[in-house]
Amino acid sequence: AQTVTQSQPEMSVQEAETVTLSCTYDTSESDYYLFWYKQPPSRQMILVIRQEAYKQQNATENRFSVNFQKAAKSFSLKISDSQLGDAAMYFCASYNYGQNFVFGPGTRLSVLP
Amino acid sequence: EAQVTQNPRYLITVTGKKLTVTCSQNMNHEYMSWYRQDPGLGLRQIYYSMNVEVTDKGDVPEGYKVSRKEKRNFPLILESPSPNQTSLYFCASITLGNRVGNSPLHFGNGTRLTVT
Repeated sequence: AQTVTQSQPEMSVQEAETVTLSCTYDTSESDYYLFWYKQPPSRQMILVIRQEAYKQQNATENRFSVNFQKAAKSFSLKISDSQLGDAAMYFCASYNYGQNFVFGPGTRLSVLP
Repeated sequence: EAQVTQNPRYLITVTGKKLTVTCSQNMNHEYMSWYRQDPGLGLRQIYYSMNVEVTDKGDVPEGYKVSRKEKRNFPLILESPSPNQTSLYFCASITLGNRVGNSPLHFGNGTRLTVT
């Protein structure tokens, strides 16, 4: 069975600084995908970034990047130049093709002005 | 506009009174799923469906029912709600036809359910 772990229930970062959110996962599949979703107070689920397991290159979307360590089953999210609008719950998720999405428990990120 | 429409957004009910939360998607997605979100537990899957007339239990199916009679609709039914089902519920869908990396899981806006 897939599992996703986020060991940091809460984190904070100063505006304009960089923060890294941790995620580890466990799967026996070789074809899988990893995602980071953001949930602001509006509770809408917003896709931040995605990574296909067969791609070795780390995904990047503007200020958001991941550090994908396949052997260690680690998928951390780095947010650079943090902005007040980045404050939210962040969920790490994994998907085995044709099976289920599994989400971690979330990390609540606060951005301090 | 491609979207997952979930209703209602807020619902307060009493123990034992049957209710249905509707979910509809306009993207012709094969895969639809229901999650509940509770503090410290993240999103836990209740039921999912790979296609019409095909449904499977997720991690927390007890007390819930679903049906998939049409591709676009996937209602969540609580036959006899109890206070421990008070939660935030999300419906989501995704296509299985393409590589998943090309299309993320699309979420509805959530339903906040309170059972007293």
